[in-house]
Amino acid sequence: SSELTQDPAVSVALGHTVRITCQGDSLRSYYASWYQQKPGQAPVLVIYGQNNRPSGIPDRFSGSTSGNTASLTLTGAQAEDEADYFCNSRDSSGKLLLFGGGTKLTVL
Amino acid sequence: QVHLQESGPGLVKPSGTLSLTCAVSGGSVSSPTWWTWVRQPPGKGLEWIGEIYHLGGTNYNPSLISRVIISVDKSKNQFSLRLGSMTAADTAIYYCASYTATSPYFFDSWGQGTLVIVSS
Repeated sequence: SSELTQDPAVSVALGHTVRITCQGDSLRSYYASWYQQKPGQAPVLVIYGQNNRPSGIPDRFSGSTSGNTASLTLTGAQAEDEADYFCNSRDSSGKLLLFGGGTKLTVL
Repeated sequence: QVHLQESGPGLVKPSGTLSLTCAVSGGSVSSPTWWTWVRQPPGKGLEWIGEIYHLGGTNYNPSLISRVIISVDKSKNQFSLRLGSMTAADTAIYYCASYTATSPYFFDSWGQGTLVIVSS
């Protein structure tokens, strides 16, 4: 399969926990990477590999995978976490790159 | 982590060809990396256009493969995108980015992006 599927929008109360998911057959072969994008800015890597955070990314961001579903969990959401989140992986052939459609996270 | 900077025209005529360049600094286009192009239409999601490996191999999005060429210029430490037969649907922010060649796989650097508008 050559698709990654994300929910278009998710909301979370300030300080609460939210999970953003990404589904696709390629995730059985490749870990997803996750990107945060705020208006007018380039995407920023927040999670890669099994569950790795680049330096500077708060530890409230974490990642996991189960079967064909990757999840980005935000534990204790902050106002500054309001953004679009995109997942990415190689496709099952390893020759193409896939993006999920993106999830708009609203922090209430 | 390398620094990437896109350059090119911000306006392209319908049926014309887009040419963009991505200058690489703080690293070399000869390093084992996939050099990629990604675009984002206004208000929409990210779309992978294609990539080139430092040894010259390329992969392209099947939906664009008939119109796209990505190349590398090692002498200038840059890589380029050419996209032909442009239409209004190609209006987007175009990003160059680097993608790791070994696991774990992810985009480790992004350019700031350049807006390209297709209009007469």
